[in-house]
Amino acid sequence: GDSVTQMEGPVTLSEEAFLTINCTYTATGYPSLFWYVQYPGEGLQLLLKATKADDKGSNKGFEATYRKETTSFHLEKGSVQVSDSAVYFCALREYSGGGADGLTFGKGTHLIIQP
Amino acid sequence: DTAVSQTPKYLVTQMGNDKSIKCEQNLGHDTMYWYKQDSKKFLKIMFSYNNKELIINETVPNRFSPKSPDKAHLNLHINSLELGDSAVYFCASSPMEGGGAGEQYFGPGTRLTVT
Repeated sequence: GDSVTQMEGPVTLSEEAFLTINCTYTATGYPSLFWYVQYPGEGLQLLLKATKADDKGSNKGFEATYRKETTSFHLEKGSVQVSDSAVYFCALREYSGGGADGLTFGKGTHLIIQP
Repeated sequence: DTAVSQTPKYLVTQMGNDKSIKCEQNLGHDTMYWYKQDSKKFLKIMFSYNNKELIINETVPNRFSPKSPDKAHLNLHINSLELGDSAVYFCASSPMEGGGAGEQYFGPGTRLTVT
């Protein structure tokens, strides 16, 4: 079945540091890929997405590129802020034709940014 | 305007009780989902409903039953609650899309504690 593997946390960085959170996936078809963010005590918010190979998703300074050859979708940001502290989830969704496919999530990476 | 809302936000109850969690979306989406997030933050799909039809049921105990009175609502009923049911439950919705998978929009979550 489908699966998503992302780096274990917590990841602790200083403000303005460069961020990379690795994500790799296994899927039978051609999934769409997502990064969601969960701030403390809140629900999940879509951060960015990519629906086909070589697509780059970007939002709020975060970027991720759909790499089919390495089955990866690594999240990057050039300069993190304290407000970026949250749990980040990589996820995939395969389209089976019915349109009701659930998301398969990675285990989440807790990011802590220190001032 | 809240896109996906859930009630209650917190639910504390004793083993053996029956409880319900309500979910409503005002996005006009055709498909709604329930996810369970365990104590380690791992998220797993439980159910999805598409046009009032159950599409996915991922080996969830039959004590859990989703009920959709209309396209905008998907409630989760849980009978004979057990300690292991303690978790955060998230409702989500997505539009029907042909030819590609789309993102899902999540509610704020319901933290269920079974004592």
